[in-house]
Amino acid sequence: EVQLVESGGGLVKPGGSLRLSCAASGFTFSSYSMNWVRQAPGKGLEWVSSISSSSSYIYYADSVKGRFTISRDNAKNSLYLQMNSLRAEDTAVYYCARYSVVAATPGVDYWGQGTLVTVSS
Amino acid sequence: QSVLTQPPSVSGAPGQRVTISCTGSSSNIGAGYDVHWYQQLPGTAPKLLIYGNSNRPSGVPDRFSGSKSGTSASLAITGLQAEDEADYYCQSYDSSLSGRWVFGGGTKLTVL
Repeated sequence: EVQLVESGGGLVKPGGSLRLSCAASGFTFSSYSMNWVRQAPGKGLEWVSSISSSSSYIYYADSVKGRFTISRDNAKNSLYLQMNSLRAEDTAVYYCARYSVVAATPGVDYWGQGTLVTVSS
Repeated sequence: QSVLTQPPSVSGAPGQRVTISCTGSSSNIGAGYDVHWYQQLPGTAPKLLIYGNSNRPSGVPDRFSGSKSGTSASLAITGLQAEDEADYYCQSYDSSLSGRWVFGGGTKLTVL
């Protein structure tokens, strides 16, 4: 069974930093691209970042480019999101999401349960 | 403002059929990119409902179906049940954006 378990969320002051982790199990982690998708309170889904299976290709949404860094450790079956210079508008539930390989267009086939990041003074 | 446009809400009585539209443009759905649909039950993470416009993952009831035409896509739910009450999101890919993944704003389905 595919499992994605996020951790690392919490309350942080504007301008602060936080590192999210996602522990993957139930599949060959090193064979899949991975993503972070966030959802602000009461709002819709927003794609944040993607990383290919070998970390060769990395993409970011314009809203986080230059502040967030996605990375992975295939030996530890783990995905990370380093978030710096946090702003109030970064407040959201952050989901770890597996890149779907069954469709020609990129999408997600499995989601974690999410971890809440709150940016407030 | 989402790149893909969905109605904020739809509703239907148990047993009825409802549809949710997802309207894009020539740089995403109209460019030939597939549409995926996700269901988010209250207080839970999203779940893949339809992939590649019209395909159901294992375990998704055949009451859910998807279609795509031109620059739009639709999700249809027949035989509406109380447990279908959820938020539904469409998602595709956009060649004109640096990030390229795009979601609809979401549609809240209320079962009356």
